[in-house]
Amino acid sequence: GDSVTQMEGPVTLSEEAFLTINCTYTATGYPSLFWYVQYPGEGLQLLLKATKADDKGSNKGFEATYRKETTSFHLEKGSVQVSDSAVYFCALSGGANSKLTFGKGITLSVRP
Amino acid sequence: ETGVTQSPTHLIKTRGQQVTLRCSSQSGHNTVSWYQQALGQGPQFIFQYYREEENGRGNFPPRFSGLQFPNYSSELNVNALELDDSALYLCASSPAVEQETQYFGPGTRLLVL
Repeated sequence: GDSVTQMEGPVTLSEEAFLTINCTYTATGYPSLFWYVQYPGEGLQLLLKATKADDKGSNKGFEATYRKETTSFHLEKGSVQVSDSAVYFCALSGGANSKLTFGKGITLSVRP
Repeated sequence: ETGVTQSPTHLIKTRGQQVTLRCSSQSGHNTVSWYQQALGQGPQFIFQYYREEENGRGNFPPRFSGLQFPNYSSELNVNALELDDSALYLCASSPAVEQETQYFGPGTRLLVL
């Protein structure tokens, strides 16, 4: 079945550092790929998405490129802020009912 | 535009009891999905409702059931609660033309004692 693997965490960075969070997936067909962010005590917010190979999703300075050849969708940001501290989930959507399959999530802490 | 809302925000139940969680979808969205998020884990798909019919189900037992109403709001019912049902329950809605893009509510945190 479909699965999403995220790099082990947590990740701690200094403000203005470069961020990469790795995500790889296994799926039949051609899934759509997503990054969601969860701030403490809240639900999930859609951060960005890509629906086909080589698409780049971007939002709030974050970017991720759908790489079919490596089955990856790594999240990057050039300069993180303290306000980016949250849990980040990679997810894919495929199949008849478009259910989301999530990775385990990774906690990012950004220190001033 | 009002986003996805859920009620209650927190709930405490004892083992064996039954619980009903509620969700109002975002305006214009006719598809609702429910997810269970255990502490420290990613959300797991429970089921989805489209036009008041179940439209797919994850690996959850029949004591997890749901409903969708004509206004597209939805309920999640869990019977015979077990300790492992303690989790954050998330509702997500999506428009029919783009079902895969789901917008989440703040969740209901359920604690089973």
